[in-house]
Amino acid sequence: DGGITQSPKYLFRKEGQNVTLSCEQNLNHDAMYWYRQDPGQGLRLIYYSQIVNDFQKGDIAEGYSVSREKKESFPLTVTSAQKNPTAFYLCASRGTDNTEAFFGQGTRLTVV
Amino acid sequence: GQQVMQIPQYQHVQEGEDFTTYCNSSTTLSNIQWYKQRPGGHPVFLIQLVKSGEVKKQKRLTFQFGEAKKNSSLHITATQTTDVGTYFCGPGGATNKLIFGTGTLLAVQP
Repeated sequence: DGGITQSPKYLFRKEGQNVTLSCEQNLNHDAMYWYRQDPGQGLRLIYYSQIVNDFQKGDIAEGYSVSREKKESFPLTVTSAQKNPTAFYLCASRGTDNTEAFFGQGTRLTVV
Repeated sequence: GQQVMQIPQYQHVQEGEDFTTYCNSSTTLSNIQWYKQRPGGHPVFLIQLVKSGEVKKQKRLTFQFGEAKKNSSLHITATQTTDVGTYFCGPGGATNKLIFGTGTLLAVQP
């Protein structure tokens, strides 16, 4: 059953701690993306990767880091430098033909 | 950089009324994609438009791509409660960056 999986669905962390959000896809997609969504807001691009071992900053990369060691995986680390990390995080992937993007179910991060 | 704006940000309609959301780009687009995100869910792809002036229909949904390929619209005829959600547009072309518009939240009152 092909798809894109994010885990966990809900995550709670204390302020000042780094936290890593998982994103795995078995769609054989080259491109993967991370977005942040705040209540009533749109999708803001954090980082994206077109190929293994390469990634680019999106529009709001400060306070975040990523890695792309495997084609299937694109984990996002929310660092303590991110001033307001509480948000809904969405991961997406798409193929080289740049058609539809597939999104994971999202991770709702709450920092207390 | 490229920006995509959507209007309105929010629309509340009575069930059975029509609804339209507009998507405007600061640059010419190679294509435009539309997605729907149900409350508490994740965005799901609806359609992609490629040609200038293209019109596509999916049941009660009509999608248009402007002649200049800088704007697009989504029209829903006779809304139903199942249409509730946020509708996003975005340039799906080979820019690789995959950004989205600000989204339009549709609320439908039964």
